[in-house]
Amino acid sequence: DQQVKQNSPSLSVQEGRISILNCDYTNSMFDYFLWYKKYPAEGPTFLISISSIKDKNEDGRFTVFLNKSAKHLSLHIVPSQPGDSAVYFCAAHFGNEKLTFGTGTRLTIIP
Amino acid sequence: SQTIHQWPATLVQPVGSPLSLECTVEGTSNPNLYWYRQAAGRGLQLLFYSVGIGQISSEVPQNLSASRPQDRQFILSSKKLLLSDSGFYLCAWSVLGQGLDTQYFGPGTRLTVL
Repeated sequence: DQQVKQNSPSLSVQEGRISILNCDYTNSMFDYFLWYKKYPAEGPTFLISISSIKDKNEDGRFTVFLNKSAKHLSLHIVPSQPGDSAVYFCAAHFGNEKLTFGTGTRLTIIP
Repeated sequence: SQTIHQWPATLVQPVGSPLSLECTVEGTSNPNLYWYRQAAGRGLQLLFYSVGIGQISSEVPQNLSASRPQDRQFILSSKKLLLSDSGFYLCAWSVLGQGLDTQYFGPGTRLTVL
């Protein structure tokens, strides 16, 4: 039972344009959402998070949007840079700190 | 500052052989510790987590086991590896505080079972 889904396994975006990565969840108990970035052969690194009491959180080029009614969150990267090429995982949890991760989306930035 | 170590970085093992992967954390006390597996074409699957010494919770039934002999040491083991155990194994730690309960991952171990 995949409670956190990233339906696009891959995404290619031109450098300088906006990258939009999507994530859907099914468990309405989730109250905290995170995005991680992962390069090959490395561990994921935390990127940005959002609490369910908010609908938007911004950090530099990265913005996460949360639509609780649709159980959907998205990560916007603007402008996209070559160093953004990586696999992006969304994750969610409630209460007990165990994170449920999505399957990941491989983002490729085209120079 | 906190750091997390995993070793070995890569490992090639025959089917049926034992496994021991080690993870240690420095610079923090009483962390929550996690073992994840990323298999080809799949997301991050939580295998085990621990909130303290000797306290292990298993998320997925399988031929793997975990132990936490010391506060900042987490070990993933198997008595007999299967082909399906191949993947990228990640250790992570977290400390709950002010809602900033992000997890910090180690560099990972690439396991290939032949």
